[in-house]
Amino acid sequence: GQQLNQSPQSMFIQEGEDVSMNCTSSSIFNTWLWYKQDPGEGPVLLIALYKAGELTSNGRLTAQFGITRKDSFLNISASIPSDVGIYFCAGLNYGGSQGNLIFGKGTKLSVKP
Amino acid sequence: NAGVTQTPKFQVLKTGQSMTLQCAQDMNHNSMYWYRQDPGMGLRLIYYSASEGTTDKGEVPNGYNVSRLNKREFSLRLESAAPSQTSVYFCASMGGGWLEQYFGPGTRLTVT
Repeated sequence: GQQLNQSPQSMFIQEGEDVSMNCTSSSIFNTWLWYKQDPGEGPVLLIALYKAGELTSNGRLTAQFGITRKDSFLNISASIPSDVGIYFCAGLNYGGSQGNLIFGKGTKLSVKP
Repeated sequence: NAGVTQTPKFQVLKTGQSMTLQCAQDMNHNSMYWYRQDPGMGLRLIYYSASEGTTDKGEVPNGYNVSRLNKREFSLRLESAAPSQTSVYFCASMGGGWLEQYFGPGTRLTVT
């Protein structure tokens, strides 16, 4: 089946640093979604992207729908401790029903020791 | 307004036992979903219901059944639990678009 490659798998952040992560697919998607999951909780939707080239912000978070329609990027500026968690991308392809959302394996953000 | 609620929060089953996971939403959403999440993995869709009275299979439906009891409730049943079904199960509902999608807190199921 379709797969999303999300990278990096994990990263450490120091307060104030900018963070970048991305998702790539072998297939074209028409919707990209980014979620954050805190330990012991369900995912929370952060940003939704609907067209190629779209750049959308939600506070310190900015996500972009790649021009090839096969990738998406999430940036977090000036990270703070509460940014720690797992970030998931998810994509929906053309012709897919709402039940065909494909999730990446996540990028785990931790605080630098 | 409780959002999406799931019961139970934790469950341990023996192989072969059956159980039903309950999910309810109070946002009047048409669509509801059941996902499973395994360690180091993203979420995988088990079943979904686009509207009251309809259900469809997702990516990993084998070993599960669902019931959309009414607009509020969507239950997931394991008829004969297997160790491979050890996972965290999330229910979600969605209203008019993706920005109106909400997940429940999850049910942590262990099958021994």
